[in-house]
Amino acid sequence: DGGITQSPKYLFRKEGQNVTLSCEQNLNHDAMYWYRQDPGQGLRLIYYSQIVNDFQKGDIAEGYSVSREKKESFPLTVTSAQKNPTAFYLCASSIQRSYNEQFFGPGTRLTVL
Amino acid sequence: QQQVKQSPQSLIVQKGGIPIINCAYENTAFDYFPWYQQFPGKGPALLIAIRPDVSEKKEGRFTISFNKSAKQFSLHIMDSQPGDSATYFCAAPPGGTSYGKLTFGQGTILTVHP
Repeated sequence: DGGITQSPKYLFRKEGQNVTLSCEQNLNHDAMYWYRQDPGQGLRLIYYSQIVNDFQKGDIAEGYSVSREKKESFPLTVTSAQKNPTAFYLCASSIQRSYNEQFFGPGTRLTVL
Repeated sequence: QQQVKQSPQSLIVQKGGIPIINCAYENTAFDYFPWYQQFPGKGPALLIAIRPDVSEKKEGRFTISFNKSAKQFSLHIMDSQPGDSATYFCAAPPGGTSYGKLTFGQGTILTVHP
């Protein structure tokens, strides 16, 4: 079955630690995205990538980093510089140069202890 | 930068009612306006989308109405059911050349009572 997988489902981080969230897709989509979801604030774009080895900052990129070495993978690292990382993180993908239809993964809930 | 304003923040209806969720956007260079449905603890899923060469699109019990001159679009859920209880997000494409990006509204939490 084609789709987007995210792991882990739940992640706990101690203050000062970096953590990496995994996102893999087998939809053969060119574009991939990372969003952060907080209650009452909708989905906010962290980073996006339209092709391999290229990515752009979204609206709230500070304290996060990404890489796009393979078409199917777009991991997100939450660094210790992110002051309030507790949130629900969603990865999405889409066919590049389509009408922006994005398909979402199941999400990772990150909690800082 | 695109801004999307969604209202109301929450909505409670009885089974069979017709909840209406509204969104307003500022500008766009691309014509594609989707609605996503999200259940607790899950990722959003595309519910219905409109390309505004038409003013209305219907899929089952879900209808999008689009008013291009007012830069507004709405989601109507006919004969709502308890299983429709979820958070709904509208989205709009960017106003510039950032092809592929979407700006999402703040979300509406819908509760349908039996």
